[in-house]
Amino acid sequence: GESVGLHLPTLSVQEGDNSIINCAYSNSASDYFIWYKQESGKGPQFIIDIRSNMDKRQGQRVTVLLNKTVKHLSLQIAATQPGDSAVYFCAENNNAGNMLTFGGGTRLMVKP
Amino acid sequence: DAGVIQSPRHEVTEMGQEVTLRCKPISGHNSLFWYRQTMMRGLELLIYFNNNVPIDDSGMPEDRFSAKMPNASFSTLKIQPSEPRDSAVYFCASSLNLGGETQYFGPGTRLLVL
Repeated sequence: GESVGLHLPTLSVQEGDNSIINCAYSNSASDYFIWYKQESGKGPQFIIDIRSNMDKRQGQRVTVLLNKTVKHLSLQIAATQPGDSAVYFCAENNNAGNMLTFGGGTRLMVKP
Repeated sequence: DAGVIQSPRHEVTEMGQEVTLRCKPISGHNSLFWYRQTMMRGLELLIYFNNNVPIDDSGMPEDRFSAKMPNASFSTLKIQPSEPRDSAVYFCASSLNLGGETQYFGPGTRLLVL
């Protein structure tokens, strides 16, 4: 029978190019957002976070942009490397339950 | 510093058996979370604790699932009896506190129920 499961959006980029991974969040009251990276066989790993009083935050090779007007979050990875290949999750803190709500994830594939 | 520690890393068991998953949060973290990840449903929050007290267990799928946190450095997730549909990767995560805090994940326990 047909295998049914989560269909992860996939972004395929060339090594050295910049990557942009997008996320739409649901709760306009959310005030804290995190990007996680999950490599095969490992747990999600914290990359970068941003609070709602900011619209941009930069880390090493990564930048997170927050657009509260349209409830959109993006992760930009500069000079993408093969080691960046993973599934990337955005998460929002929805305040109501003091817990994180995770998006479905985007698979990033880096071609050498 | 050690991150979140989970054991076992892999577990294969037969339907009907009891399964116990273990987690040691990061020292000093007051909140602990149990998640389940499957291809069908992605990452699901099962239960979380704050200061060793269960706060919300609405994500626990059935009464077959139970979780405890007897002290600040140890938590268990138990499935009794286990069923094949429980097969998944179970993650434990901890954070300094609740509310707007980064959660740090363990490596997960890959459970296969035959």
